[in-house]
Amino acid sequence: GAGVSQSPSNKVTEKGKDVELRCDPISGHTALYWYRQSLGQGLEFLIYFQGNSAPDKSGLPSDRFSAERTGGSVSTLTIQRTQQEDSAVYLCASRRAGPVEYGYTFGSGTRLTVV
Amino acid sequence: GNSVTQMEGPVTLSEEAFLTINCTYTATGYPSLFWYVQYPGEGLQLLLKATKADDKGSNKGFEATYRKETTSFHLEKGSVQVSDSAVYFCALADMNRDDKIIFGKGTRLHILP
Repeated sequence: GAGVSQSPSNKVTEKGKDVELRCDPISGHTALYWYRQSLGQGLEFLIYFQGNSAPDKSGLPSDRFSAERTGGSVSTLTIQRTQQEDSAVYLCASRRAGPVEYGYTFGSGTRLTVV
Repeated sequence: GNSVTQMEGPVTLSEEAFLTINCTYTATGYPSLFWYVQYPGEGLQLLLKATKADDKGSNKGFEATYRKETTSFHLEKGSVQVSDSAVYFCALADMNRDDKIIFGKGTRLHILP
């Protein structure tokens, strides 16, 4: 597609429920990233996929968070047993092959509210 | 580890004022430096970048110079407009270390007409 697409754009969920957030990167972009943007906290790295390599999960805050990327394209971020502190904007970004200096293209994000 | 520190906001200026948003970094290697901008209701966009010391990135009237001696990458614009109101993020990437960009906490800029 022309840009990075994320869905849903807004999600309100009850505490304890599971949620799935979807990211559709730019066609041909081999690298895909998830970040979390909390008020006053900037962007927090969560997970990174590059081609067929094992993902870099070093930023996932707990084992309630997981992500997968199917067929090297679409990615789903899953949060199990959501907590109020999970409320944030979840941003996906993709990057074409080459050095990270090429920079990311970000989606518009999913605003998650846990009530 | 690598990190980015930028001035806290919000920053409020009148239209046509001079803008500086300070950014300093800590890195063990030789990172590339970025400024991203997030306009209201939109995703982050790359504003400018510099990949080595003394490089100047520029775009839309904004400039930032990679200063290795002061580990800084301050964002400047000579005359801001209302449309520049946004959140600005300083960031770095060290491709010799890993493949992710590390962001500062962001600085919210309000420009008054």
